[in-house]
Amino acid sequence: QVQLVESGGGVVKPGGSLRLSCAASGFIFNDYYMNWIRQAPGKGLEWISSIGSSDGPVDYADSVKGRFTISRDNSANSLYLQMNSLGAEDTAVYYCARVHSFGSTDSWGQGTLVTVSS
Amino acid sequence: DIQMTQSPSSLSASVGDRVTVTCRASQSIGYFLNWYQQKPGKAPKLLIFAASSLQSGVPSRFSGSGSVTDFTLTINSLQPEDFATYYCQQSLKTPWTFGQGTNVDMK
Repeated sequence: QVQLVESGGGVVKPGGSLRLSCAASGFIFNDYYMNWIRQAPGKGLEWISSIGSSDGPVDYADSVKGRFTISRDNSANSLYLQMNSLGAEDTAVYYCARVHSFGSTDSWGQGTLVTVSS
Repeated sequence: DIQMTQSPSSLSASVGDRVTVTCRASQSIGYFLNWYQQKPGKAPKLLIFAASSLQSGVPSRFSGSGSVTDFTLTINSLQPEDFATYYCQQSLKTPWTFGQGTNVDMK
């Protein structure tokens, strides 16, 4: 079955960097657009980035544009999110998710927690 | 950006009740509206896509309706496992935006 497993979260100081990874299995990874979506503690869901099936196009929320970079390696069935210049407002659970019909998101990872704190 | 507004923000209901959650978009989104269920500590789960299409494996007591700017999620005969938070999401154009969520708890 479809499985998405995120890794790379942790505690980082303000201004620091972190790279998240998402390992995909159970489906033909390079057939699908992929999203990163985050959820701050006790808050709602925020779409932050998406990438096309063949390593493009990419798109970002204004809140992360210029700081975060989404990428994928279809040969490794993996999705990535490079996060730079992190601030407290980036503290959240980050989900890797597969894009389905009509732009819905039908499969999600379990999430990885990123905490930005000094 | 397209703003998504859900109502109510929370509601209390009993097992067997019919529950309705509404979602309004700040501009026309056609049928590009999706509904998710999220339980504490878990990832969201897709329930409805394209406003009214039931995702595979989702019980038929869940249904969606609406178009353009006004949408509804209905749960017929609420079950114990349905107590959760529900989010709508527009996927017409990026940034894809979510409603603030509706928490359904036990009366």
